Amino acid sequence: QAGLTQPPAVSKGLGQTATLTCTGNSSNVGNEGVAWLQQHQGHPPKLLLYRNSNRPSGISERLSASRSVNTASLTITGLQPEDEADYYCSAWDSSLRVWVFGGGTKLTVL
Amino acid sequence: EVQLVESGGGLVQPGGSLRLSCAGSGFNVTDYDMHWVRQVTGKGLEWVSSLGPTGNTYSTESLKGRFTISRDNAANSFYLQMDSLSVVDTAIYYCARESGGSGSGGFDVWGLGTMVTVSS
Repeated sequence: QAGLTQPPAVSKGLGQTATLTCTGNSSNVGNEGVAWLQQHQGHPPKLLLYRNSNRPSGISERLSASRSVNTASLTITGLQPEDEADYYCSAWDSSLRVWVFGGGTKLTVL
Repeated sequence: EVQLVESGGGLVQPGGSLRLSCAGSGFNVTDYDMHWVRQVTGKGLEWVSSLGPTGNTYSTESLKGRFTISRDNAANSFYLQMDSLSVVDTAIYYCARESGGSGSGGFDVWGLGTMVTVSS
């Protein structure tokens, strides 16, 4: 089953804004919406946003998400050193009846 | 405290079997969709299987027939039976809870993971 497409790496400066993208199709990203996860090396993933823009308690308001047709985006404003991590998108594929993940984007904060 | 703890990983020879366990605390695993997700060292996340409150199960196509998800309500735990293991199954296996409804992607609780190594 094909996964979601994410750019492998993004680099931005301290205090800048990073926008990470996730592209799928009408059966996954364009249908059920997307969840975003953050993973620091050596740690399990952490949920950032789900169903496109729902934010669990404790997640910074510097993070926001949007979706346009079959591409979802995660925007992080005011980049901090702790934002440096791998970011994954995920969506339910209603056609294949499976969860699909993106390959992940490594965000580097310069 | 809401928590998930995996166990059962280890070293197994190709063709062998392992049963992973995921014990929940602070909530009932029967009230949520529960998932197994694996990650090869240095690589991305790969969804493996899920088990919903009504007992409905879903699995990634390539693993059907080899991996089976199940649950023990009394133990508040769920499991992943892995058979006919091969070297490509070597990975960290995480269990996760999905909140916010089925299909929401609200994977809000994760275990620390258990390492499975398939090698001769």
